[in-house]
Amino acid sequence: ETGVTQSPTHLIKTRGQQVTLRCSSQSGHNTVSWYQQALGQGPQFIFQYYREEENGRGNFPPRFSGLQFPNYSSELNVNALELDDSALYLCASSNTTGSEAEKLFFGSGTQLSVL
Amino acid sequence: AQTVTQSQPEMSVQEAETVTLSCTYDTSENNYYLFWYKQPPSRQMILVIRQEAYKQQNATENRFSVNFQKAAKSFSLKISDSQLGDTAMYFCAFMKPFRSTGNQFYFGTGTSLTVIP
Repeated sequence: ETGVTQSPTHLIKTRGQQVTLRCSSQSGHNTVSWYQQALGQGPQFIFQYYREEENGRGNFPPRFSGLQFPNYSSELNVNALELDDSALYLCASSNTTGSEAEKLFFGSGTQLSVL
Repeated sequence: AQTVTQSQPEMSVQEAETVTLSCTYDTSENNYYLFWYKQPPSRQMILVIRQEAYKQQNATENRFSVNFQKAAKSFSLKISDSQLGDTAMYFCAFMKPFRSTGNQFYFGTGTSLTVIP
């Protein structure tokens, strides 16, 4: 069973740039969620994708957008980067049609630094 | 809105001893899940234990157990026979299941646990 994988592991961007982060879901999972974890904080929910559509969103502006592909992999796109976007971005997958639909399985994250 | 509070930013415990991490939450929901996740230096969040709110029996997973007090909205984690590998950041999390809008997790700010040899 393949776990959740994220790429890249680290990324440095400058303010105003755009960034794309990638995630491959755990085998058999149909739902992917993205979380932002600022330094010293718990993860904050950005959004969730199911069947290639966004079906839940946290308190993040529209410059945070995403995609889910037919193979259940996903991308997180952030436009017009701001210094406060510097954080660890975590991807998590789950099988919402399974018996343990509430369990989230996380990747190791992408550490984004905005200079 | 749901909030999760972890009032202990840092804790330490001697190897083989027992430690309890505290968590409180605020919600008006009746059906929900509670979780403890562990985040070691590798940064990957690892599920430690989960509790379904409608179950009165406290969840147990090997050395890990919870004390779930629904009325008090309290959800503490007890780690018995602490091991060096338990050193990590521990996050308490709340989830209200809504299949139509997604299963959004709300996390606390974490407790950094250090197991001392």
